Amino acid sequence: SAVISQKPSRDICQRGTSLTIQCQVDSQVTMMFWYRQQPGQSLTLIATANQGSEATYESGFVIDKFPISRPNLTFSTLTVSNMSPEDSSIYLCSVPRMDPNEQFFGPGTRLTVL
Amino acid sequence: AQKVTQAQTEISVVEKEDVTLDCVYETRDTTYYLFWYKQPPSGELVFLIRRNSFDEQNEISGRYSWNFQKSTSSFNFTITASQVVDSAVYFCALSNSGGSNYKLTFGKGTLLTVNP
Repeated sequence: SAVISQKPSRDICQRGTSLTIQCQVDSQVTMMFWYRQQPGQSLTLIATANQGSEATYESGFVIDKFPISRPNLTFSTLTVSNMSPEDSSIYLCSVPRMDPNEQFFGPGTRLTVL
Repeated sequence: AQKVTQAQTEISVVEKEDVTLDCVYETRDTTYYLFWYKQPPSGELVFLIRRNSFDEQNEISGRYSWNFQKSTSSFNFTITASQVVDSAVYFCALSNSGGSNYKLTFGKGTLLTVNP
């Protein structure tokens, strides 16, 4: 399985500020995904981070609120912009293994917005 | 549209009991993949199993077993002789094959508490 790390592991932020979350993978992968897990809820896909092109966002998520960068095949960032308490969630990145349709997840970033 | 239903929101058992977590899915695709993940209190998501739609063989891994039945669109997960360390939220998930579609649709999860 791929080794995936995320920074920060947790943060407490003030309303109106932005936070950038980093995801690092120990091997090159074509796609990386960003998920959100609101408190007590399931995981929802935010977007697919594509290397060399813009991210592909799911319904209900927009680039202005969740800008994503993918500068190379092992790294991606997700920014949560202009945060409100509703953005308090765990944010997870995931990557597929070489075998299609098998995904491993990073340890997550636990965000609390006051 | 895809959908995964985990009807059991919470289950509480006593150590050494067997417990089954239910998962029912909906998809229009003939080729798809089903997953189970474990999320302990620490928050990380631990991959447990993947099953493709053409393989209906049940699988056993130690105390874990999975029962995949296409006729009822179910992919249930049984823990035998449960232990306190099994306490976690368990998610069932579905993805379609084909192209580059690796997106996962998750159920709402079942919180399993194993009491000593």
